[in-house]
Amino acid sequence: DAGITQSPRHKVTETGTPVTLRCHQTENHRYMYWYRQDPGHGLRLIHYSYGVKDTDKGEVSDGYSVSRSKTEDFLLTLESATSSQTSVYFCAISGEPSNTIYFGEGSWLTVV
Amino acid sequence: KNQVEQSPQSLIILEGKNCTLQCNYTVSPFSNLRWYKQDTGRGPVSLTIMTFSENTKSNGRYTATLDADTKQSSLHITASQLSDSASYICVVGKTGANNLFFGTGTRLTVIP
Repeated sequence: DAGITQSPRHKVTETGTPVTLRCHQTENHRYMYWYRQDPGHGLRLIHYSYGVKDTDKGEVSDGYSVSRSKTEDFLLTLESATSSQTSVYFCAISGEPSNTIYFGEGSWLTVV
Repeated sequence: KNQVEQSPQSLIILEGKNCTLQCNYTVSPFSNLRWYKQDTGRGPVSLTIMTFSENTKSNGRYTATLDADTKQSSLHITASQLSDSASYICVVGKTGANNLFFGTGTRLTVIP
């Protein structure tokens, strides 16, 4: 298994509160990604990073921000959580985009 | 429009039987096609990745085929086991980090 750790694995939060999900890798991969997975949708890219402090938006980036201050850590922040952000969030890593992408175990977020 | 369609949505087979899952895509320009297995409550795990020049790739009892001309791929599972029960996700890539298109998956259930 690729060395990817997501935390927290499960969280329930209230609407309007900030939430930060953390992804930690031990593989020294250059690329890190945050996806969300919802019923009826394929995995959708939120943000990705191609190096320390280098990030870019994905398909569904509104309401989310990210930061990468170290190669091994990629943080996803919901500044003010909404019920539509209830989802399963997956962190992923790859050496290059064309290489195999390895996924973490997921973080289940419920916004009430 | 870049789309990935998988069929069937769900499938139930008897242990020991073979099955084939389908993936049709309209993604262009094509770079690669990937199949992932996702167990319930877990992150997706890579099975195969194929580029334009490859038309078959195997990983144990899993064999993926690609017809880039008709934009179709299939995943064949031989001698199914109970542990094959999972969702199988087809992912088609264009060049770049923000250019993966995910299908919604086929839910396979293997029964004794």
